[in-house]
Formats: sequence, structure tokens, C-alpha cells
Amino acid sequence: EPEVTQTPSHQVTQMGQEVILRCVPISNHLYFYWYRQILGQKVEFLVSFYNNEISEKSEIFDDQFSVERPDGSNFTLKIRSTKLEDSAMYFCASSHAGTRGNEQFFGPGTRLTVL
Amino acid sequence: KNEVEQSPQNLTAQEGEFITINCSYSVGISALHWLQQHPGGGIVSLFMLSSGKKKHGRLIATINIQEKHSSLHITASHPRDSAVYICAVNGGSNYKLTFGKGTLLTVNP
Repeated sequence: EPEVTQTPSHQVTQMGQEVILRCVPISNHLYFYWYRQILGQKVEFLVSFYNNEISEKSEIFDDQFSVERPDGSNFTLKIRSTKLEDSAMYFCASSHAGTRGNEQFFGPGTRLTVL
Repeated sequence: KNEVEQSPQNLTAQEGEFITINCSYSVGISALHWLQQHPGGGIVSLFMLSSGKKKHGRLIATINIQEKHSSLHITASHPRDSAVYICAVNGGSNYKLTFGKGTLLTVNP
């Protein structure tokens, strides 16, 4: 069964460093998302992406964040200069269509630890 | 902005018991999702529904659009059902999910 994959599973970085989190969505999906979950808190939406551009972003997704689909399979989230408060689990998700209510499939997550 | 509230926050049951987890939301939605998160962190979609009721095996999800309320039921609960169950909604005009805080379910043998 097709699944969303994410790499790495765990990333440790120093404050101020750039990190790139990678995702491979399900191949025939068109809509891509990043969410994050700070330890002990609820999952929060970061950004959605369709047709090579951001379709929606949250207040969390400031200038330090960017997303890219560099080729036909990968979908990346870049944090330019990490802060301690960026430590969280980051989930990628994809859906076949963006019609409201379309089921989203989640990757296993990348745990980012900023020291 | 949609507020999603779940109850209870924590639930402990004995194997075989019937489980109910509730979710309410504040603003009209296009769909509601029930998700399962295991201790390792991965999130699995259980149901997506916009009206009525859906059933997968021992899991049943219902939604009442007028009351802005949904319930997830687990019949004949089993220790392997132990996980965090999360309610999330699609807003009226966007595709992002807004999540509740989750319900930690522990089923003891």
C-alpha cells in the first residue's frame, strides 16, 4: 500500500543552523502539507502546497520557513535559522485532491531537536 | 477560527469495554477526521466523515452536523487499541486540518 515517507526520522541540530526535512508524498497525490507537534501539545498546521506554490500557511510559518518540491517526488521543509522552540515532531501529509474534506495521509514524522 | 475540543483527555478501560470519545467544534466544517497516534508518534487516519455514521471493524464514528459534535466508539476494546485518538476538522473554505488535543486511551488486559 502506498505511503508517505519522511527522512530523517530524527534530526539534531544547533540553534541557528539550517535544517531541511524531506518527504516523499504518495505518488498520485497533488496536495501536500506540513504539520508540527511540539511535545505534549496538539498537532498544528504549518503550510499547504499545490501546483508548485503555497496555497495556505499559518502564523507559525514565518520567513524562517520555506517549502519546495524540487523534483517530481520530494517535498521539503527548510528552516533557515533554527530556534530552540522549533524542536518538535514534523509531519508531512498528502492528499489526492484538495476538495474540502479530502483524506490526508501522514508520514511517520521527523523529530527535530534544536540544542 | 475553529476550536476543536475533545473529551475525555484521558481514558482508562478494561479489555472488552465499550469506549466513547467525544469531539465538538465551534464553526461549520466540510469534514471531520478521526486519527490514531501511537507512542512512536506516527499518525494514521481512521475515518473521514461529513455526515451520518461510518464503521470499520470494531470502530464506529458518528457526526451530528447541527450540534457540531462527533463521537468515536470502540466496541470490545483491546490493549492494542491503546493510543492517542485525535479529532481534526477541515474548515469551510480551506484544506488544512485543525486538530484537537487528543484523547489518551489505555486499555488494560
